[in-house]
Amino acid sequence: QRQLVQSGPEVKRPGTSVKVSCRGSGFIFKGSAVQWARQARGQPLEWLGWIVFNTGDTNYPQSLQQRVTITRDMSTSTVYIELSSLTSDDTAIYYCATIPGHYWGQGTLVAVSS
Amino acid sequence: DIQMTQSPSILSASIGDRITITCRASQSIDRSLAWYQQKPGMAPKLLIFKASILETGVPSRFSGSGSGTEFTLTIGSLQPDDFAIYYCQQYDRPCSFGQGTTLEIK
Repeated sequence: QRQLVQSGPEVKRPGTSVKVSCRGSGFIFKGSAVQWARQARGQPLEWLGWIVFNTGDTNYPQSLQQRVTITRDMSTSTVYIELSSLTSDDTAIYYCATIPGHYWGQGTLVAVSS
Repeated sequence: DIQMTQSPSILSASIGDRITITCRASQSIDRSLAWYQQKPGMAPKLLIFKASILETGVPSRFSGSGSGTEFTLTIGSLQPDDFAIYYCQQYDRPCSFGQGTTLEIK
């Protein structure tokens, strides 16, 4: 069954970092790119970046370029997103997906609270 | 970064209506555009990719058109299950989403 499975919910303190994983059936990622997006409650989707799985090339929006890092582990077909210097504005559901989004992860809630 | 502008933000319609949602890109993106449907508490669901290709399993009442900077999503005859939020996404340089269109029952 083709699917993307994300890691569980996270609660973080302001100023810290969070790393969320996304594991896919191997053939989903082969030769393709994987994106990350997030959605705060009641807000639209926000694109966070992508990684080309085979090459490791990445691209991020200018607004987050200093704080976001996307990596991958080819041996486990897993993609990661790490976001640093967290604030309450980073509280959201984080999604991974293929490009375009034929397949999406189930979402991971990241809550930032003191 | 390319900006995507959707209109309208909110659309009120009735069962059986034909509706159109528009998405405009700040620069040409050729046909690198996808449309998604999202319901509360769920991940987005792909409806259309490459501007006009219907995703497998999506009802044929959904259609997409356009190229360059202007794109449309049309639902031919609204069904109860279609009331949701719709997003466009360009995946040309590199990616960005529109702000969404809420389709509500009139």
